Amino acid sequence: DGGITQSPKYLFRKEGQNVTLSCEQNLNHDAMYWYRQDPGQGLRLIYYSQIVNDFQKGDIAEGYSVSREKKESFPLTVTSAQKNPTAFYLCASTKDRANLYGYTFGSGTRLTVV
Amino acid sequence: GQSLEQPSEVTAVEGAIVQINCTYQTSGFYGLSWYQQHDGGAPTFLSYNGLDGLEETGRFSSFLSRSDSYGYLLLQELQMKDSASYFCAVIRFSGGYNKLIFGAGTRLAVHP
Repeated sequence: DGGITQSPKYLFRKEGQNVTLSCEQNLNHDAMYWYRQDPGQGLRLIYYSQIVNDFQKGDIAEGYSVSREKKESFPLTVTSAQKNPTAFYLCASTKDRANLYGYTFGSGTRLTVV
Repeated sequence: GQSLEQPSEVTAVEGAIVQINCTYQTSGFYGLSWYQQHDGGAPTFLSYNGLDGLEETGRFSSFLSRSDSYGYLLLQELQMKDSASYFCAVIRFSGGYNKLIFGAGTRLAVHP
């Protein structure tokens, strides 16, 4: 079955470390997105990519970086510059640019700074 | 700027009907979507409105009025499993890219 796989499910990071969250999709979707969710809040857009080798900053890109070398993969790196990285991170993809069919989300990675 | 407003919490009983409203302000508005998220889970797509009017999908319906920058999600014959957070989300086109901007969510509690 097609879907989005995020790994790991839980991740613990020490202060000052960079960590990379994986996102892989086999839906043949062109567009992929990263969102951050804090407890009791909505989703905020970090980065998005509409095609391979192209990505754009979202509303809260500071302290994060991404790459899009393959259509199927859109990894997110949380750098040491991100001051408050503890959150639930969700990767999503969509079939078309107009989003008429809705986003498909992965099951998320819960990142905790220790 | 852009903003989405929806109530933070709604409570209802099994079998009842509940309406969750959403008002928005944004440039480049393309459409309005609704997502459901159970605690600890991923959001799942419920509905999309690109034009004014009502869209019905089983027990759920969604409405959009572009002139009023307003939409709602209607849940009928509520079941316990409908207890979840519901997010309205604006599809916004900007600079040739489309983005989905989420509201803060409405937490629905369904009681027996």
